[in-house]
Amino acid sequence: DFVMTQSPDSLAVSLGERATIDCKSSQSVLYSSNNKNYLAWYQQKPGQPPKLLIHWASTRESGVPDRFSGSGSGTDFTLTISSLQAEDVAVYYCHQYYSTPYTFGQGTKLGIK
Amino acid sequence: QVQLVQSGTEVKKPGASVKVSCKTSGYTFSDYYIHWLRQAPGQGPEWMGWIYPKNGGTSYAQAFQARVTMTRDTSVSTAYVELSSLRFDDTAVYYCARVGLPAAIEYGLDVWGQGTTVTVSS
Repeated sequence: DFVMTQSPDSLAVSLGERATIDCKSSQSVLYSSNNKNYLAWYQQKPGQPPKLLIHWASTRESGVPDRFSGSGSGTDFTLTISSLQAEDVAVYYCHQYYSTPYTFGQGTKLGIK
Repeated sequence: QVQLVQSGTEVKKPGASVKVSCKTSGYTFSDYYIHWLRQAPGQGPEWMGWIYPKNGGTSYAQAFQARVTMTRDTSVSTAYVELSSLRFDDTAVYYCARVGLPAAIEYGLDVWGQGTTVTVSS
């Protein structure tokens, strides 16, 4: 199985500052035939289901603010929030959909400093 | 708008079975894969499998292969997951989620149900 490891486990950032969350996959999620990374990022707030932010590692979902961006390729990925807003407090998960069983990272809890 | 609405909270005894429904609306049910996942308290989501409503095709995670069945009823645009031989560690919130691209298995999960809490308790 693909093991997804996020760092850090928790993070506190001041409002307006940059937040960065890393995700490392135990195997590459880059599919060579189409050059796409099968990696998504989700945001989950308490009592709610996860919300898709980014797919193909860097493609933002419609309606997601442009302060959210994804980068990386192969085994190493990053979610960046360029200017933290109060409503961004949540747990963030990376998710590989390259190979079954599809797997998620353990989550990164993002709060306000 | 696209919606996935799941059935309500379940409390089951060890060894019993549970069946959770996921009623969809706002799109063509047959065209999009539905994945089932669960999330134990304080944990990340765990993928259980998918079903393709167009033909009923399924794929299950090895961890659930012997105990899970995913079905659908296209007449009411609803997907189901049944988990048998329940154990205490099956206690979790169970989610259905739609793949965000028609006929694609592998893509982000763009719409999720609200979740169904399943508690296994003696």
